Amino acid sequence: QKEVEQDPGPLSVPEGAIVSLNCTYSNSAFQYFMWYRQYSRKGPELLMYTYSSGNKEDGRFTAQVDKSSKYISLFIRDSQPSDSATYLCAMSALLSWIQGAQKLVFGQGTRLTINP
Amino acid sequence: NAGVTQTPKFQVLKTGQSMTLQCAQDMNHEYMSWYRQDPGMGLRLIHYSVGAGITDQGEVPNGYNVSRSTTEDFPLRLLSAAPSQTSVYFCASSYSPRGQGGGYTFGSGTRLTVV
Repeated sequence: QKEVEQDPGPLSVPEGAIVSLNCTYSNSAFQYFMWYRQYSRKGPELLMYTYSSGNKEDGRFTAQVDKSSKYISLFIRDSQPSDSATYLCAMSALLSWIQGAQKLVFGQGTRLTINP
Repeated sequence: NAGVTQTPKFQVLKTGQSMTLQCAQDMNHEYMSWYRQDPGMGLRLIHYSVGAGITDQGEVPNGYNVSRSTTEDFPLRLLSAAPSQTSVYFCASSYSPRGQGGGYTFGSGTRLTVV
């Protein structure tokens, strides 16, 4: 079983729709939760990160974490064609107690298309 | 401010050849790491470094070597290329390796094909 599960889609919605992207995880040791956006042939870029359960809002984006259910979500309001990309959830786990190094465990990514 | 720079962007290798993927960052980040991205597998950690002179293995280290002689550079060496190493490789850096998971900056990737 993968530590992080994410529906790969693809997901296609009309412009202006509310988009919901989700990931589930199995490792209770995950400490930080992130969403990355990756455009075609580019590296991932950080969209949101959060530490605790609850909601975090940034403009049209809201990240939601439910640690009790091991479930995270990203909501995109008023979606735009420029939001078309692959969205990756990522979770941070401790690699080394001595160095405090963290590793990111990524979901497979959901390919999202916003149609004008 | 260039961020994380990876070279080359594309490379084709023959089985058994060796090569080095370069990664440099100009943000004075302590923590650097290498990931590979394969269809249906997401990004997987190959090696990481928490500072100059300190490196360790990630989840898929076999066939790869790293070293960190300076804060800025973190090259990834393929010792004897195999078709299974065909992938897109990303280098990432972060301002803090100590208990903070946010703030990773990724390079634009190196697309490697091994024939």
